[in-house]
Amino acid sequence: AQKITQTQPGMFVQEKEAVTLDCTYDTSDPSYGLFWYKQPSSGEMIFLIYQGSYDQQNATEGRYSLNFQKARKSANLVISASQLGDSAMYFCAMRETNTGNQFYFGTGTSLTVIP
Amino acid sequence: ETGVTQTPRHLVMGMTNKKSLKCEQHLGHNAMYWYKQSAKKPLELMFVYNFKEQTENNSVPSRFSPECPNSSHLFLHLHTLQPEDSALYLCASSQDRAGGGPNIQYFGAGTRLSVL
Repeated sequence: AQKITQTQPGMFVQEKEAVTLDCTYDTSDPSYGLFWYKQPSSGEMIFLIYQGSYDQQNATEGRYSLNFQKARKSANLVISASQLGDSAMYFCAMRETNTGNQFYFGTGTSLTVIP
Repeated sequence: ETGVTQTPRHLVMGMTNKKSLKCEQHLGHNAMYWYKQSAKKPLELMFVYNFKEQTENNSVPSRFSPECPNSSHLFLHLHTLQPEDSALYLCASSQDRAGGGPNIQYFGAGTRLSVL
């Protein structure tokens, strides 16, 4: 079974609007971390935001916030006030504490910001 | 200087060539990783090194040979590759702490490899 599922291969958003990128995960480990990365066309994977499974509040980093719904096993990324520079691939990832260094990545969502 | 540097950025090689990819991290981390990124597929973890010791090898063919001489440098030696090995190869590093924690991985810009 897929550990990380991203069901939106491509998304479009108008500049200055908010957009939500979906991510669901599958784990039986009670302790895990969830991550979002951005990959522009240059190739580098840029870390955006982290949510721990025991964190009570949703993580926020500037215009990025993570909508963490533990019971539903979802960790959606919300980007507010989209900018043209937000156009990129976005990857959701998970690390289970019991499996050490193993990161599981989704297939990604391509976001295009329209002027 | 960026945190994780990979060279070369692009590489074209024949199936009989031998080449090496280099990764250097300037973040003082204790763990380094090689990933393969192919189109339309999730990132595939290839190798993990903790304190220079290889801790994971995810069934990677022997034509890929990693080397970690110290905690700042990681190499991927390539020989007799196949066209299906063409992909973006990403290096990452993290500071692994006992007892958990984010252990966020920071990536380089990758080497785009084409095997002819």
